[in-house]
Amino acid sequence: DAGVIQSPRHEVTEMGQEVTLRCKPISGHDYLFWYRQTMMRGLELLIYFNNNVPIDDSGMPEDRFSAKMPNASFSTLKIQPSEPRDSAVYFCASIRTLGTDTQYFGPGTRLTVL
Amino acid sequence: DQQVKQNSPSLSVQEGRISILNCDYTNSMFDYFLWYKKYPAEGPTFLISISSIKDKNEDGRFTVFLNKSAKHLSLHIVPSQPGDSAVYFCAATPSTGANNLFFGTGTRLTVIP
Repeated sequence: DAGVIQSPRHEVTEMGQEVTLRCKPISGHDYLFWYRQTMMRGLELLIYFNNNVPIDDSGMPEDRFSAKMPNASFSTLKIQPSEPRDSAVYFCASIRTLGTDTQYFGPGTRLTVL
Repeated sequence: DQQVKQNSPSLSVQEGRISILNCDYTNSMFDYFLWYKKYPAEGPTFLISISSIKDKNEDGRFTVFLNKSAKHLSLHIVPSQPGDSAVYFCAATPSTGANNLFFGTGTRLTVIP
């Protein structure tokens, strides 16, 4: 299995621009999670999906952030407009079922907003 | 507000010695605890976990200890190897399993050959 795939691996953009991060979970995994990693706060859960439906988006910091999962093999996290404080590493993770499994993380997207 | 805290941002240990990484939590509803290991330019990978019904779980060189009354857990690595050099994240969840994880800020372990 290829594992969780994220693209791009690095993104540099200017303040005010729209940024779209992409994730392909492991095939057969029903849950998908988006995290943000910063030095100050570590890994923070932004949102997670079950069978393509958003279950908990309480971690999404602002309305500038949105996430979608149009099908079982693809999810996007969009920031519009982006701000310098959004600079972080964004991880996607997936699990097959709740209760017993550990989360499998992608390699992350390092976002820099100038 | 951080519900899971790793107060040591870094730790250096000689190869062959014991590494002890600490983690504290504030939410008494947390029921399941995990450690993840992260190498540069990679995502975190699961290392070891422990349920609140236990106080110790061992897997090879890695042992996790849980002290519920103190809301404290620790990861022991014995003996430490240079390949263990990574960032270690402590995580906790109020449910059984790996959903709804609350992570700490991580501790960077350096094992000196």
